[in-house]
Amino acid sequence: EVQLLESGGGLVQPGGSLRLSCAVSGFTFSSYAMSWVRQGPGKGLEWVSDISGSGGSTYYADSVKGRFTISRDNSKNTLYLLMKSLRAEDTAVYYCAKDFTSIAVAGTFHYWGQGTLVTVSS
Amino acid sequence: QLVLTQSPSASASLGASVKLTCTLSSGHSTYAIAWHQQQPEKGPRYLMKLNSDGSHIKGDGIPDRFSGSSSGAERYLTISSLQSEDEADYYCQTWGTGIHVFGTGTKVTVL
Repeated sequence: EVQLLESGGGLVQPGGSLRLSCAVSGFTFSSYAMSWVRQGPGKGLEWVSDISGSGGSTYYADSVKGRFTISRDNSKNTLYLLMKSLRAEDTAVYYCAKDFTSIAVAGTFHYWGQGTLVTVSS
Repeated sequence: QLVLTQSPSASASLGASVKLTCTLSSGHSTYAIAWHQQQPEKGPRYLMKLNSDGSHIKGDGIPDRFSGSSSGAERYLTISSLQSEDEADYYCQTWGTGIHVFGTGTKVTVL
């Protein structure tokens, strides 16, 4: 059974940093690209970032480029999102998702986690 | 620019059918999309990938009453025999060069 479990969310001040983790099980982690998608309060889904199965290719939405860094540790079956210079508009539930292939941004999201809430506020 | 357009809401009676539409922006009519369901207070769930020819690949355990079809730049999700648990937000999603795009979502209400 595929499982994705996000952690690391919480309350952070504007300008602060936070690192999210997504621990996975039930599939060969290194064979699949992974993604982060977020959802602001009362809003729709917004793609944040993608990483290929090897970790060699990464992509970012313009809204987070230069502030967020996606990475993965295939030996630990864990996906990460390092978020810096956080703004109020980054407040959202952050979901990790498993892609269909090993290539980033080459398909859709096959499995989703339950999300972790990030609140940016003073 | 790659954009997906969805109506904000749809409704139908219990046991009836509802058809949702997702429209691809000009110049992108051959793109495949995916449909995702998000029930209240839950994470999204993959329903299916839908190609321009109408062929689709469903997710694990998705009931047969969820079906997809295509016509030109429009992609459809039809839910037959509506159940109370089908009341949810439905998002279409596609991908391009280095980017994923979501539609704004359609809220389905079961009357």
